[in-house]
Amino acid sequence: EVQLVESGGDLVQPGGSLRLSCAASGFTFSAYDMHWVRQGTGKGLEWVSCIGSGGDTYYSDSVKGRFTISRENAKNSLYLQMNSLRAGDTAVYYCARVGRNALDIWGQGTMVTVSS
Amino acid sequence: QSVLTQPPSVSAAPGQKVTISCSGGSSNIGSNYVSWYQQLPGTAPKLLIYENTKRPSGIPDRFSGSKSGASATLDIAGLQTGDEADYYCLAWDSSLSAGVFGTGTKVTVL
Repeated sequence: EVQLVESGGDLVQPGGSLRLSCAASGFTFSAYDMHWVRQGTGKGLEWVSCIGSGGDTYYSDSVKGRFTISRENAKNSLYLQMNSLRAGDTAVYYCARVGRNALDIWGQGTMVTVSS
Repeated sequence: QSVLTQPPSVSAAPGQKVTISCSGGSSNIGSNYVSWYQQLPGTAPKLLIYENTKRPSGIPDRFSGSKSGASATLDIAGLQTGDEADYYCLAWDSSLSAGVFGTGTKVTVL
């Protein structure tokens, strides 16, 4: 079964750091571009970042310079290192696979809360 | 912030049809593929339409997508109570080098 499972979400203080993970299974992870998408409580979907199969990376302006996306193909894993966290980063974070020029497989999400 | 504009809500009676618009610009919808997602309450988004008009296997043909210029549209025909959800469009923006989601549309079945 093709599956993505996020982990690492937690309560963190403003200015703190957190690393999210996304474990992939059921497909050749190294061949696919991967994205992170977030959703604040009661809000819409917000694109965060993506990494190509070749390692090229892209970020939204709201996280550029603070978040770093990476992947470890040997471990079938995607990561999002989040630094200098703000209250506005509070959200459910989803990882998603790119297939057919769309996000065809999504994880269940992991909750990040930034609060003192 | 979202650069793709959708109506906040649409509604219709069971069996009727709703249309959700997604308005963008030349750097996103105008030059890249659009995809559409359904998000039922409390769940992760699900792919409904890819490459502007195509449906993944398992998606009923009641759902259809189209694109013209810098705008895209999702039609839901034969509306069912199970279609009550939030719907989002997504496109890559070549100027921003970033993905951009629509503002989201809540579908209500009357």
